[in-house]
Parts: sequence; structure tokens; C-alpha cells
Amino acid sequence: DQQVKQNSPSLSVQEGRISILNCDYTNSMFDYFLWYKKYPAEGPTFLISISSIKDKNEDGRFTVFLNKSAKHLSLHIVPSQPGDSAVYFCAASEGYGNKLVFGAGTILRVKS
Amino acid sequence: EPEVTQTPSHQVTQMGQEVILRCVPISNHLYFYWYRQILGQKVEFLVSFYNNEISEKSEIFDDQFSVERPDGSNFTLKIRSTKLEDSAMYFCASANEGLRNEQFFGPGTRLTVL
Repeated sequence: DQQVKQNSPSLSVQEGRISILNCDYTNSMFDYFLWYKKYPAEGPTFLISISSIKDKNEDGRFTVFLNKSAKHLSLHIVPSQPGDSAVYFCAASEGYGNKLVFGAGTILRVKS
Repeated sequence: EPEVTQTPSHQVTQMGQEVILRCVPISNHLYFYWYRQILGQKVEFLVSFYNNEISEKSEIFDDQFSVERPDGSNFTLKIRSTKLEDSAMYFCASANEGLRNEQFFGPGTRLTVL
């Protein structure tokens, strides 16, 4: 099942710089997209979401961009902090309250 | 801040045994889910539960699996006869009506089947 793909297994960024995590999807019926952060031995923690009627959503240091024609979304973290180091999952759903389909995750390392 | 809790944090069982994984969702939430993550693989959906019934289940969720919300606060996942390949991290999640469509995840139960 490759409906949601995160092609970069890892990303390393200097503290204070921008982190850009990418996600592609194939199912055009997805209408909600979410980003989760996960530390080892913990459950995924919700970061930010966007519905398909928008192309950008911002919450503090986190911004998600959605390009429906390219079936692509990205998460921007500005400025990156060492505490942001974690695994980031992209997820998508068809309809509100329905199951989430997850990507494989990207390990982000923010170096101080 | 309200959170989803799960017990036990780690369960070790013999193949063929029954296990029950327990979850306490956030109290005013209406949607409930189980997901699992086999080591090195994606987080994958198992089942969703709404209005006291299963709303969707994956092909993984066969007759060996069942869910219950026995008392209005707990949400359980039962595996009747565990297999080696059931070894995974099991996450419970809950959600409520809202604009963001986010699901809140518990810390997970690590199930090891020997």
C-alpha cells in the first residue's frame, strides 16, 4: 500500500534553519492531510493538518503546504530547534473521522 | 491536558494465547481507532469504532481480532489466538468533532509473541 509516500528516510538540518519535509500521495479522494511527530517509545503526536480546500495552513513555526494538482504536501519548520529532532509522519484520510493512511516517516535531526 | 492512555506498556505472550490490550480514550471523544506498527514498517490502520459499532476495518482485522467499549470509558482490542506476526506496537487513538480532523494517539502497547 503506497498511497502515501515519504521518499526521504532522513533529513539533517542546522539549528535555526528551515526544515522541509515532503510527502506525496496517489489517492485523489484524500481530503484531509496531517503531520505527526513521533519520539521513540511514544505514540504519534499531532502537529498540524490541512483540508483539501486550502493550500496553506500555518501554526507557529509549522506551515503545511498542499499542492493538489501535484498530489504533494510539505511541512516547513522555521526556525528548526534541536527539540524538533524526531520522526515525522505524513498521513491522509478520506472524509472526516475516517482512518489515517500513513507514510513511512522521515527522521529529522536538527544539529546545534 | 487530556491524553489517551494504554495498558500494559509491554505484553509478552506465547503463540496461540489470547491477549487484551486496553485503552482509555479522551473522555468526550466519539471516534476510536486501533493502529499497529510492526518494527521497521509503517503505522497501519486496524479498525475504527463509532457510535458503539465498527465503522471500518482493514484486511488485517480478521476473525482473530475484536474490539469492545465495555463501560463507556475503556476501549479494548482482543486478539484471540496470537501469531508470531502479531508482534508489533499497538496504538489506540481517539478523535472528536472539529475542524482539524486530528486523532490523538496513546503511547502504545508493545506486544511480543514468542
